[in-house]
Amino acid sequence: ETGVTQTPRHLVMGMTNKKSLKCEQHLGHNAMYWYKQSAKKPLELMFVYNFKEQTENNSVPSRFSPECPNSSHLFLHLHTLQPEDSALYLCASSQDLYHPYNEQFFGPGTRLTVL
Amino acid sequence: AQSVSQHNHHVILSEAASLELGCNYSYGGTVNLFWYVQYPGQHLQLLLKYFSGDPLVKGIKGFEAEFIKSKFSFNLRKPSVQWSDTAEYFCAVNWSKFSGGYNKLIFGAGTRLAVHP
Repeated sequence: ETGVTQTPRHLVMGMTNKKSLKCEQHLGHNAMYWYKQSAKKPLELMFVYNFKEQTENNSVPSRFSPECPNSSHLFLHLHTLQPEDSALYLCASSQDLYHPYNEQFFGPGTRLTVL
Repeated sequence: AQSVSQHNHHVILSEAASLELGCNYSYGGTVNLFWYVQYPGQHLQLLLKYFSGDPLVKGIKGFEAEFIKSKFSFNLRKPSVQWSDTAEYFCAVNWSKFSGGYNKLIFGAGTRLAVHP
């Protein structure tokens, strides 16, 4: 595998379920990100990790819980979601937050549907 | 707050037509500028980027963009589009002097381009 991978690619869950999204980057980067992409809205940055430490939580509801066990893996744990949380969730990575250009590389996303 | 505006949400063109997608950003200072493309069913991929130097940047697949600092703009252009250019295009900017000093990337809302054969 190369680049940034995400699993699953599609997920349908009920509001009472608990599920997790997984992201893995094979680029040797140290910064990882979760974004939410909804129709007709700009990409919303949710969480940022740099060298496994969370550096930003962009006022995300607590029903979304990120986990970064190492610089290559990022998880997003989901519980008691709402239908408005249905969206494409994108993971990205970059060399590190303080790199001069901080170019980000994106995974294919997980299409989440909350019933 | 920092923001990025893309003027057109939907653009429809015929093949061989010329393309220009607008992108403007708030605030001056040192910026790094990006255009990403998302083809149907595929992930976001980098089309081109500007960090410094020649303000006219050439990217993949015949795309180019021009950074005009005085206008806070970074418009994307292609002289002759193809059906395969049908995709959503996102402008993104980071300001290195904000957000606790790290290079936070702010995206525009995207422009959906449909090219008809």
